[in-house]
Amino acid sequence: EAAVTQSPRSKVAVTGGKVTLSCHQTNNHDYMYWYRQDTGHGLRLIHYSYVADSTEKGDIPDGYKASRPSQENFSLILELASLSQTAVYFCASSPARLGTEVFFGKGTRLTVV
Amino acid sequence: SQWGEENLQALSIQEGEDVTMNCSYKTYTTVVHWYRQDSGRGPALIILIRSNEREKRSGRLRATLDTSSQSGSLSITAAQCEDTAVYFCATEKVNTGNYKYVFGAGTRLKVIA
Repeated sequence: EAAVTQSPRSKVAVTGGKVTLSCHQTNNHDYMYWYRQDTGHGLRLIHYSYVADSTEKGDIPDGYKASRPSQENFSLILELASLSQTAVYFCASSPARLGTEVFFGKGTRLTVV
Repeated sequence: SQWGEENLQALSIQEGEDVTMNCSYKTYTTVVHWYRQDSGRGPALIILIRSNEREKRSGRLRATLDTSSQSGSLSITAAQCEDTAVYFCATEKVNTGNYKYVFGAGTRLKVIA
């Protein structure tokens, strides 16, 4: 079964601190994504990657960096966490072809204080 | 209808009723995905409809797609309490050499016994 594992599952960070969210997939998928979900809102794409060592900006990339060191791993980095980045973050993966399922992790709840 | 930056919509219905959720999209797509998200979990694909299908059924689910109006819908027949969840539509946006998935704002469906 396709699996996307996120760590940590929850985190409290201090404003101005650095936060790294990690994602690991065992699906052998080329594409990986980071989405943000705010309470009462849908999923918004932050960064994505379709090949190792390369990342692409999504729709809301400001304040975030991404790293894809291998096909299996994709990290989201908040260099200077801000209160407005409090949200639930989802990592996902999909095969390199259109019309296929996107597999999501269970999410990371990030609270910036 | 749900799209992008719009707030999550909310629907509350009685068990046994039929319900339809709409989705409009801004850019050309050949596939519309519908995902379901249960509380505390990541979204999971429930049905996918391609541009040449216009209608697709899976159990009590029925998806439609009208590419001319760039809109789609998801209907649930005889809703059950276990259908309570958030439902998202998603489309595929093709960039040069890669693509990404764009999710709608979602509809929070509550089915009351």
